[in-house]
Amino acid sequence: QSVLTQPPSVSGAPGQTVTISCSGSSSNIGAGYDVHWYQQLPGTAPKLLISYNTNRPSGVPDRFSGSKSGTSASLAITGLQADDEGDYFCQSFDIGLSGRGREVFGGGTKLTVL
Amino acid sequence: QVQLVQSGAEVKKPASSVKVSCQASGDTFDSYGIGWVRRTPGQGLEWMGGIIPAFGTTNYAQKFQGRVTFTADESTTTAFMELNSLTSDDTAVYYCARDVVGSHFFDYWGQGTVVTVSS
Repeated sequence: QSVLTQPPSVSGAPGQTVTISCSGSSSNIGAGYDVHWYQQLPGTAPKLLISYNTNRPSGVPDRFSGSKSGTSASLAITGLQADDEGDYFCQSFDIGLSGRGREVFGGGTKLTVL
Repeated sequence: QVQLVQSGAEVKKPASSVKVSCQASGDTFDSYGIGWVRRTPGQGLEWMGGIIPAFGTTNYAQKFQGRVTFTADESTTTAFMELNSLTSDDTAVYYCARDVVGSHFFDYWGQGTVVTVSS
C-alpha cells in the first residue's frame, strides 16, 4: 500500500474541471513536507507538473494548480483536454518512525477524459 | 536543456543482476542528486533511493537495502543502478531522475528502462 492515498481514477468531459486528492499523515504532509505532482502520459516518463505544493515549472499550463492543507493536498485541472488523459502521482517526503527519511509517492490516479 | 538518457531494455533470469545506466547532459552533476524510481506493471511509482554524485553519498529505500547499489562516474556524468537477486516482482520500468539536493522532488526524468525478469 502506498503511503500517500489517491483515488484510483477520476474522469471528466472536455472543458470540465477535475480534482485529484492526495491524503497523507503526520509523518509526511502533516509534518510540513511539501507535495509535488507528476503527470505520466501513456508510454512516457513522468513529468514534473507542480513543485512545492503550488509552483508550476516553466511550460506547465496554468490549467494545472496545486494546493495543500493539513495532511492533504490536491491537484486541480481546469479546461480538461483529451491529451490530459494519463496517470497523476503525488509525492512527498516521509520521516517515518525510525527517523530515516524517504521519498513517498501516491498510488496514482488515472484520469479519463470522456 | 537537461537530458537523462538511460540504457536499453533488459531481459534477465531470476536470481541474476541488472545494471542500468543514466547519462546526464546539458548540466553537470554539481548540486544535484540522481534518484531511482520504478513502476511495476499495474502499480504506481516506487522510490528506490538515490545518490549525490559529487559526494558519492547514497540513500537506499529500506525495501531495497542490501540488494541495490547506486554508483556514479562524474567524468562521464553517468549514474548507475545495479539490482541483485532478481525475481519476477522486479519486472518494471526503471527511471532515473534528477533532484536538486534537499528539494525532495524530481525535475528531469530519464526515458525509462524496461527490465523483464523471466525464466
